[in-house]
Amino acid sequence: DAKTTQPPSMDCAEGRAANLPCNHSTISGNEYVYWYRQIHSQGPQYIIHGLKNNETNEMASLIITEDRKSSTLILPHATLRDTAVYYCIVNQPPNSGYALNFGKGTSLLVTP
Amino acid sequence: GAVVSQHPSWVICKSGTSVKIECRSLDFQATTMFWYRQFPKQSLMLMATSNEGSKATYEQGVEKDKFLINHASLTLSTLTVTSAHPEDSSFYICSARPSGTYSYEQYFGPGTRLTVT
Repeated sequence: DAKTTQPPSMDCAEGRAANLPCNHSTISGNEYVYWYRQIHSQGPQYIIHGLKNNETNEMASLIITEDRKSSTLILPHATLRDTAVYYCIVNQPPNSGYALNFGKGTSLLVTP
Repeated sequence: GAVVSQHPSWVICKSGTSVKIECRSLDFQATTMFWYRQFPKQSLMLMATSNEGSKATYEQGVEKDKFLINHASLTLSTLTVTSAHPEDSSFYICSARPSGTYSYEQYFGPGTRLTVT
């Protein structure tokens, strides 16, 4: 069962920041939050991950609340190519072999 | 870096035949590879975990005799769909986790679209 909750869809204007929320209220202390995205008919792409500190890379920023029960993925200047399904994943225990448990994700539509 | 390829990218086969899909990590070694299946408008579902040199671990409900997985080297895993039926038509995606890491970061192939007629 997915341990995350995301809105099913969001819109964002091109050039604006896209803020994608994720609730993970049952997260435990040693679990990381991972974000992947899947552009239509392609394999998923890793974006970013974090434990409790905010993280930033060339693709996005990840803001994790202090209680770690929710997080937000920020695409600072969304482009049309960012239209995709974004998955927030809380990792399963290592004895599951590090497989990713994809929920339904958020379908982000970036509009001109 | 961290590129994973899949071959073929799409395949059409007749019911009852077998199809082999290859997954290769091109610029890194992967002790563990995963196979996922995705039906239209649905999320990815894990089928099996493949570890180099050992038998694959299948998820509940996935028939191991129908979906044969071989992970003979640190850069190649194959999925063979045996006696394919129309209900096996799906988008099959592999991913590879770099050897020596202890994270969930992994790299996905572009997927293989299988159509069984």
